[in-house]
Amino acid sequence: DVKVTQSSRYLVKRTGEKVFLECVQDMDHENMFWYRQDPGLGLRLIYFSYDVKMKEKGDIPEGYSVSREKKERFSLILESASTNQTSMYLCASSKRTNTEAFFGQGTRLTVV
Amino acid sequence: GQNIDQPTEMTATEGAIVQINCTYQTSGFNGLFWYQQHAGEAPTFLSYNVLDGLEETGRFSSFLSRSKGYSYLLLKELQMKDSASYLCAVRDFPLYSSASKIIFGSGTRLSIRP
Repeated sequence: DVKVTQSSRYLVKRTGEKVFLECVQDMDHENMFWYRQDPGLGLRLIYFSYDVKMKEKGDIPEGYSVSREKKERFSLILESASTNQTSMYLCASSKRTNTEAFFGQGTRLTVV
Repeated sequence: GQNIDQPTEMTATEGAIVQINCTYQTSGFNGLFWYQQHAGEAPTFLSYNVLDGLEETGRFSSFLSRSKGYSYLLLKELQMKDSASYLCAVRDFPLYSSASKIIFGSGTRLSIRP
């Protein structure tokens, strides 16, 4: 079975902190994605990566950056956390084309 | 750009059939997915369509018309456990891009009543 693991289920951080969300997949997938999910807005794509060290902006990249130093790991970085970044963050991975994405369990981040 | 529309909420009766529609606009269509998401959980994959027509998996079927930018998810013999959100998603691979991305609609919250 494909497994996508996010490092934390729940996080509480203070405004202005630098926050790292980690995601690891064990199926040698080329593509990895970071989404945030908010009520009424669905899943919105923040960043995605299609290979090691390769990344592309999604629909809402402002205030975020990403790192993909190894194929299995994709990190989302909040440079200076703000209260409007309180959300559920979901990581997903997939093969390059024509297959579905598999999701991690999500990280509920609260910025106070 | 891309746009995916689906109804916000639907209600259906246990044992009945429900159809959830999805319309989309993308610059580089490369497949359409349906996911199920129960409250507080991650989305789980239900179906995938890349060619026109109907795909069936047990009680669930998904239909795609690429020329119309339209899909639907059909759920038969509804059970209480089918109460969840259903997410329509499109794989978009624009000509100018190096990679495909998966874009989601806002989801349809389906409530099943006894």
